[in-house]
Amino acid sequence: GEDVEQSLFLSVREGDSSVINCTYTDSSSTYLYWYKQEPGAGLQLLTYIFSNMDMKQDQRLTVLLNKKDKHLSLRIADTQTGDSAIYFCAESKADSSYKLIFGSGTRLLVRP
Amino acid sequence: KAGVTQTPRYLIKTRGQQVTLSCSPISGHRSVSWYQQTPGQGLQFLFEYFSETQRNKGNFPGRFSGRQFSNSRSEMNVSTLELGDSALYLCASSFSGLDTQYFGPGTRLTVL
Repeated sequence: GEDVEQSLFLSVREGDSSVINCTYTDSSSTYLYWYKQEPGAGLQLLTYIFSNMDMKQDQRLTVLLNKKDKHLSLRIADTQTGDSAIYFCAESKADSSYKLIFGSGTRLLVRP
Repeated sequence: KAGVTQTPRYLIKTRGQQVTLSCSPISGHRSVSWYQQTPGQGLQFLFEYFSETQRNKGNFPGRFSGRQFSNSRSEMNVSTLELGDSALYLCASSFSGLDTQYFGPGTRLTVL
């Protein structure tokens, strides 16, 4: 099927690290994305990783990709209250369908 | 560089009416995709255009249509609106449709 799965909710304390997990379906996916959505806003591209990479680091964000298990994770270091939002992972399929398949989103709540 | 822009940001319509939403991609991007976001169904792909050609369409009824102009701007139209069409409509642009996709702020459509 086309299901990308994410846990629904994560709560962390300010200053801690957050890890958001995602399981995707297509082992031939080319790009895997993380988007952030704040209330009433569109999707902000946070980071992405090519399917031939294992890890990508971008300031406070670290993306890990396990192709064998089709598992993607986003680690946010030193989580701040401004990081509270919904985080979506998405896969870009290699079948040239020109569409992204999204997970249902993980709501991150950062407690002061 | 200006981001993806969508107009209008908010719309209220009544059942049976039709609506047209507009999306202007990032300068130089030729691919525009449209997604519908609802609490129940999440983010679902509507269609993708490249160089004025629709290359893929999601599983939506024929009431949903779109087009792309020679300057890559795109419009989507929904005819005979139903209550279930109430959603946030997001467009995304990219160079080719297979590379990094950037989203606009969305148009929130409410059907009464």
